[in-house]
Amino acid sequence: EVQLVQSGAEVKKPGESLKISCKGSGYTFNTYWIGWVRQMPGKGLEWMGNIFPRDSATKYSPSFQGQVTISADKSINTAYLQWTSLKASDTAIYYCVRSQSYFDWSSFDYWGQGTLVTVSS
Amino acid sequence: QSVLTQPPSVSGAPGQRVTISCTGSSSNIGAHYDVHWYQQLPGSAPKLLIYANTNRPSGVPDRFSGSKSGISASLAITGLQAEDEADYYCQSYDSSLSGSRVFGGGTKLTVL
Repeated sequence: EVQLVQSGAEVKKPGESLKISCKGSGYTFNTYWIGWVRQMPGKGLEWMGNIFPRDSATKYSPSFQGQVTISADKSINTAYLQWTSLKASDTAIYYCVRSQSYFDWSSFDYWGQGTLVTVSS
Repeated sequence: QSVLTQPPSVSGAPGQRVTISCTGSSSNIGAHYDVHWYQQLPGSAPKLLIYANTNRPSGVPDRFSGSKSGISASLAITGLQAEDEADYYCQSYDSSLSGSRVFGGGTKLTVL
């Protein structure tokens, strides 16, 4: 059974750094793009970017390029989303997602349970 | 403003049929990129409902169906049930945005 299990909720102050994780199991982690989707409070879904763990190739949405870093450690089947300096506007639920195939136009067939990040002074 | 446009809300009585539209442009749906649909139940993570325009993943009831034509796509739900009350999102790929996956703004389905 394919599963994406994310790290727990975080409460941070503006300016702090943060790295959240997503561990994949039940499939060959190296061979599927894995990415992140943001959902701000009461709002819709926004694709942030993704990574191909086998070679660490990354693609970012223009809206998030330079704002976050996506990485992966294929030895432990885990992907990460990282901020160096959080803002209050980063408060959201972040979902990790697996792409159904290698192609950019494929669907997100599996979703993690979500990680709530709250940034407040 | 989302790249893909959905109605903010739709509603229907149990047993009825409802449709949710998703309108894009020549750089996404009109460029023949696939459209996918997700269901997000209250308080839950989204779940894949329809992939590649018309296909249902295993376990999704055949009450849910998708279609695509031109720059638009639609999700149809027949035999509406109370448990279908959720937010629904369409998603595609846009070649004009440095190759980005894009979502619609979401549609809240209310079962009356």
